[in-house]
This record gives sequence, C-alpha cells and structure tokens, in this order.
Amino acid sequence: GENVEQHPSTLSVQEGDSAVIKCTYSDSASNYFPWYKQELGKRPQLIIDIRSNVGEKKDQRIAVTLNKTAKHFSLHITETQPEDSAVYFCAATPGANNLFFGTGTRLTVIP
Amino acid sequence: DTGVSQDPRHKITKRGQNVTFRCDPISEHNRLYWYRQTLGQGPEFLTYFQNEAQLEKSRLLSDRFSAERPKGSFSTLEIQRTEQGDSAMYLCASRMLGLDGYTFGSGTRLTVV
Repeated sequence: GENVEQHPSTLSVQEGDSAVIKCTYSDSASNYFPWYKQELGKRPQLIIDIRSNVGEKKDQRIAVTLNKTAKHFSLHITETQPEDSAVYFCAATPGANNLFFGTGTRLTVIP
Repeated sequence: DTGVSQDPRHKITKRGQNVTFRCDPISEHNRLYWYRQTLGQGPEFLTYFQNEAQLEKSRLLSDRFSAERPKGSFSTLEIQRTEQGDSAMYLCASRMLGLDGYTFGSGTRLTVV
C-alpha cells in the first residue's frame, strides 16, 4: 500500500512569516493529494488539494506544489496568522479508493 | 443535510463490552469511509462502502470489528469485546464517486477503561 511521510512534526513561526510542510509518497500510482487542517477536537477539513496532472495550485495564502518525479508535495502558507495554528495532514490516494495520511504537522503561529 | 454526522460524539466503555457507532453521510454521496485516529497520528483507513457494498477492508480491521451500510445510506461500525487498544477517534467520511472531495464527520471518541 501507499506510505506517506510528513515533515516536520512540529513547526513554529512568527505571525506574518511563511510556513512550509513537506510530504513524500511511495506509490507512483497516487494521483490525488489533499491537505487537511485539524483543530483540536474537530474534524479534518480540506484546505487545498492537487491532482497529479498539475504542478502547482494556489488559493489565497495557501499553495501546494507537486513533484511527481521525486514523489513529493508541499504545502505553503504565506503571511501566517494565529488562526492558522492547527495540525495539518497531507494525504495521497492511489486509484482514488481511499486516502493514506501522513503523521501530521503541528503548526504554531506566534503572535 | 449540511455535512457528515456521527453519533455518539463520545463513548466510554468497559473492556470486553460491545460498542456501535453510527455515521450519516452527505445524502448524495455514494462512498462512505471509516478511519481510526489515535493521538498524534494521522487517520488510518479501516474500510469503505460504495452504496451498500463493502469494497475494501484494512488489515487493521480485526474480526472484532464489523461495519455495515444496509441501505446505502447510514453506516454502523461495531466493535465486539473492546480492548484498551481500541481507544481512539473513529472518523467517518463520505464522497461522491468521481469527485475528489472527502468530507469528514466530527468523529466518535472511544475510551475503553
């Protein structure tokens, strides 16, 4: 099955700085890569996703990049705000049958 | 119907008891997934349904676990003879086949004492 690794496990940034979270995947058949934000005690919420036929996607302060050759994808958050503090999970899916998640990154934005 | 609903939100049970959780997906979504999440980890896939058919089960799903989706709408996940290692958040998600977005419920937090 697919194996998704995520780094770093924790990340602290000053408000206004950028944050980058990186994931690698093992199955070259994976073709869909979503990112989820999970606040304490709440459901994972989809914040951005990318398909394998696209190299980059942006939505306001959030962007995702994908390198299929290297099998890695990254989440970029610019101009971070305290409300960005949460745990972020990357995921990958080969064949769109189910999602395989990374172990999560706890992001803390320091005001 | 604004999202995926799970019931109960919290369940405390004694070791050896059976528990059952319910998930109501978004009504037009034909795929329904169960995941388990332990503290500090990402959700781990357990099983999924397309309509009423259970199409895949993870090796994580021991024979004490059973899931059903009898009419292709809501689903139940039952754990028999619970063990302390079953303590986790059980998440349900749904999506429409052919579309990307998985929508998660708020989960059922199980504590086995």
